[in-house]
Amino acid sequence: DTAVSQTPKYLVTQMGNDKSIKCEQNLGHDTMYWYKQDSKKFLKIMFSYNNKELIINETVPNRFSPKSPDKAHLNLHINSLELGDSAVYFCASSQFLTNSPLHFGNGTRLTVT
Amino acid sequence: AQTVTQSQPEMSVQEAETVTLSCTYDTSESDYYLFWYKQPPSRQMILVIRQEAYKQQNATENRFSVNFQKAAKSFSLKISDSQLGDAAMYFCASNRQGAQKLVFGQGTRLTINP
Repeated sequence: DTAVSQTPKYLVTQMGNDKSIKCEQNLGHDTMYWYKQDSKKFLKIMFSYNNKELIINETVPNRFSPKSPDKAHLNLHINSLELGDSAVYFCASSQFLTNSPLHFGNGTRLTVT
Repeated sequence: AQTVTQSQPEMSVQEAETVTLSCTYDTSESDYYLFWYKQPPSRQMILVIRQEAYKQQNATENRFSVNFQKAAKSFSLKISDSQLGDAAMYFCASNRQGAQKLVFGQGTRLTINP
């Protein structure tokens, strides 16, 4: 039973295309996140949703649009992909308690050519 | 703003020996939480250990323990009896009370030599 699952695992696409990454968690958590891991392995938060409401929106280009249809799902849509968007994108979830550790998905490696 | 610094990009240790990974952080908050995550080649992010800043006792999880020095803002991870399966990137992270924003360090790549 996968706790946080994201699809696809790998995504290769050309510049200018629009793509989506899906994430689902079955842990009953009320908060979900998107993190980006760059080529140097640095992890940085992009967005966070609590009960379907956006609570954290870091300085991310507005080509990135998260959507949370319900507490268990948080999708990431990216418009007009650029070379610099190539990275590993991690979905995560937790309960809205700061000592609740994040549970991560296995990541989606996005390659923009 | 919180910052987390891992000054060791790479570390290596012989199998069965002990290794310590360093982490320092900076925060103006009094309530916060600290974590170590492991990322093996499979790319999965796995929680290793966590520490509440208000607790003086160092957290331990089997072969993994921390040395939490609050005044020095230091949070090192000790791995005892290193095993081949411990080889991974290790990330130190923190978040403050009332926030849901985990801030990560740059990571330390740990190699286990057989």
